[in-house]
Amino acid sequence: NAGVMQNPRHLVRRRGQEARLRCSPMKGHSHVYWYRQLPEEGLKFMVYLQKENIIDESGMPKERFSAEFPKEGPSILRIQQVVRGDSAAYFCASSPRNTGVIPKQFFGPGTRLTVL
Amino acid sequence: GENVEQHPSTLSVQEGDSAVIKCTYSDSASNYFPWYKQELGKRPQLIIDIRSNVGEKKDQRIAVTLNKTAKHFSLHITETQPEDSAVYFCAASNTGNQFYFGTGTSLTVIP
Repeated sequence: NAGVMQNPRHLVRRRGQEARLRCSPMKGHSHVYWYRQLPEEGLKFMVYLQKENIIDESGMPKERFSAEFPKEGPSILRIQQVVRGDSAAYFCASSPRNTGVIPKQFFGPGTRLTVL
Repeated sequence: GENVEQHPSTLSVQEGDSAVIKCTYSDSASNYFPWYKQELGKRPQLIIDIRSNVGEKKDQRIAVTLNKTAKHFSLHITETQPEDSAVYFCAASNTGNQFYFGTGTSLTVIP
């Protein structure tokens, strides 16, 4: 039973390029969260999605960042026109559907983005 | 929105001693409080969680306590071992749509 998978594990981009980060949830999980972690800091919530629907994007920067979770395939976090300040570790976590009791979430290994 | 504060930021203990990490939260509607352990360069791993309808939960050497009135919760690790060395994060959630994390505690267990 594979856990949460993310790829790539490391991504290097030059300023102005686009970064695409992928997350495949655990089997049986239908919801995905994206977080950003700066060095020696905590995890900052970005967005919460289910397939074909963004549930909460209150943590997403208003510009250059977008996320999707299509009916088929992984969830994608897209960062356009990257800047050095985007360098961070980006983690996704998956959970089963919330049926009224907040479900446990499980994290992927992260993508470490470096912007040159 | 919710604000979660975590203390201490670093903690060193001798092997076999206990370690306590404390978190406070601001939103009285928060009702789910997980704790994660993150080793260097690895993913955060859920180690224990507590919901607002209980005051304490224990799993072997790890326990978590919750005081809803004071809005704080704590992680207790007994009989610490070198492999407990890691960064520990607390978090709080109200609806499950967002999780708010503390800034982490770097625990070092000295053999």
